[in-house]
Formats: sequence, C-alpha cells, structure tokens
Amino acid sequence: GAVVSQHPSWVICKSGTSVKIECRSLDFQATTMFWYRQFPKQSLMLMATSNEGSKATYEQGVEKDKFLINHASLTLSTLTVTSAHPEDSSFYICSARADIYEQYFGPGTRLTVT
Amino acid sequence: AQSVAQPEDQVNVAEGNPLTVKCTYSVSGNPYLFWYVQYPNRGLQFLLKYITGDNLVKGSYGFEAEFNKSQTSFHLKKPSALVSDSALYFCAVRVPYSSASKIIFGSGTRLSIRP
Repeated sequence: GAVVSQHPSWVICKSGTSVKIECRSLDFQATTMFWYRQFPKQSLMLMATSNEGSKATYEQGVEKDKFLINHASLTLSTLTVTSAHPEDSSFYICSARADIYEQYFGPGTRLTVT
Repeated sequence: AQSVAQPEDQVNVAEGNPLTVKCTYSVSGNPYLFWYVQYPNRGLQFLLKYITGDNLVKGSYGFEAEFNKSQTSFHLKKPSALVSDSALYFCAVRVPYSSASKIIFGSGTRLSIRP
C-alpha cells in the first residue's frame, strides 16, 4: 500500500524559532498534499492544500506567513512553522492524494514549543 | 454547508460483542465516504471506503460499513470486538469533482473495548 512518511516524528523548539516538517510520499507521486492540525482529543483541522509547483491554498483563519508550505516535487511537501509560539504546539499530520479516490496519511509530527 | 456528524463521543463495548460507530453526513451530490482509525500519537489509518456499488463495504481488521443513502448514514460495524480495536475512529466524506474536493472529518468517536 501507499506510504506517507513525516520527519521528524516529534520536535521540541524554543519560542521564536522556526521548525520545518517534511512530508514524503514514498511509493507514489502526489500532485496534491494536505496539512492538518490536530489538538488533543479533537478532530483534524485542514490547514492548507498544496499542489506541486504552485502556491498552497490556505483555509480561512490559517496564517500563511506563519505556516509556510512548499510542495517542491511530486513526493515532497514541507511545512515550516515560523517564529513558533507555545500556542503552535500541536500534532501536525500531512496527507497525500494518490488518485481521485485514495488519500493517505502520514504518522504525524508532535511539535512542542517551549 | 457540508458536514459529517459522529453523534457519540465514546462507545463502550465488551470484548466479543458487536460494535457500531455511527456516522451521518450532509453533503450535496454523491459523496465518497471513508472510515479511518487513529491510535495514540499516530496518524490516521485507512479502514474502508464507499465509492459506489454495494452498500455494504468490507475493510481492514474485520470492519465493515453500510451506506444508507436515504438516511445519509455510513455506520461502522464489527461483529465481534477485540480489545485491540480500542482507538479513535473518524468518519470522513469527500465530494468528488467539487472545486475544493477536500475531505471533511467528523469529530471522532473513541471506541473502548473492555476485556
């Protein structure tokens, strides 16, 4: 089956610094990737949709200058949390769409900002 | 507005008993329906999907779901629950060919199976 990886699986950073999270589709090409945020015991909130070679589309209320998304290739998308603050601490999950039916999810990245 | 509802925050079932996790949706058009499972500190794992055809779909780990168009429901079921089924379950819907074509998730149902 299709596999999506994320790196790192967990990261701790200091307030004010930036952190980059990578999302890779390992055995398929993904023209569209998605970034979600999940708070404890809550559902997934879509942050943005990224298409290879074009700018990401952000959901309402998501700061595009804070959450920078780059979809540089058909197998790699990155999310950079800039000037991180403790309220950015969350579980971030990426997803890659393989075709019109299937969408596969990464294992998630736990971000803790101290 | 398109939405997915999971009316139960938590479902408790004894091991060996059948389980049902409820899901209803409100979307226009003919949606694709999905169930995902999430274990603690992990991403989502795909369980099953309904695209078209037979209303009863079978998925991973012995789970199945029944699509009911008249009731706009897609309940997840399993004939005999295992303790290892304890996890967080998400129902999701996607309307294909819409301008956004995004997956919309329900709020999640925590399934607890007691030995």
